[in-house]
Amino acid sequence: DAGVIQSPRHEVTEMGQEVTLRCKPISGHDYLFWYRQTMMRGLELLIYFNNNVPIDDSGMPEDRFSAKMPNASFSTLKIQPSEPRDSAVYFCASSTYLGGGPPQDNEQFFGPGTRLTVL
Amino acid sequence: RKEVEQDPGPFNVPEGATVAFNCTYSNSASQSFFWYRQDCRKEPKLLMSVYSSGNEDGRFTAQLNRASQYISLLIRDSKLSDSATYLCVVNGGGFGNEKLTFGTGTRLTIIP
Repeated sequence: DAGVIQSPRHEVTEMGQEVTLRCKPISGHDYLFWYRQTMMRGLELLIYFNNNVPIDDSGMPEDRFSAKMPNASFSTLKIQPSEPRDSAVYFCASSTYLGGGPPQDNEQFFGPGTRLTVL
Repeated sequence: RKEVEQDPGPFNVPEGATVAFNCTYSNSASQSFFWYRQDCRKEPKLLMSVYSSGNEDGRFTAQLNRASQYISLLIRDSKLSDSATYLCVVNGGGFGNEKLTFGTGTRLTIIP
């Protein structure tokens, strides 16, 4: 299995530009999560999907952030316009949760992340 | 109060020593507990789940105290390869059980 795939791995952009991050979850996983990690705040959940439907977007910082999951094998996180404070590592993770089962059923598998720098 | 709190460290420990980390969580409805490991500039990966009765995986032992809402991780006979950041993780509990909340991590460095 290829694992969770993210692209690009690194992105450097200027303030005001649009940024699109991409994620391909593990085949068969029905949950997809977008996280942001910074030194100050650690790993924060931005939004997650179940069967391509957004379930909880309460972690999305503001309207400049949007996420879509058009099908089971692809999701995007878009920032428009980008700002320097958006600089962080953005992780995508996927899982399949059976509910009521042992804790291992909750394991999330992370992609390698996209390191975003907004100048 | 943060949902999951950990001592950020760093813990600098000589090779072969035993080291323990604790973490506290605020959501009493949480049902699943984990320790993830994150190497420098890498993604987090599951180290081990934490069961109510405590569990062991080789040199690693995890404990859960539901009454006090804390989780611990013990590493025995530490190796240089154990150097990493250890993330305490709990699930949402109830509706939103699939959500995981991560602590900010405890950085461990094993010294030769």
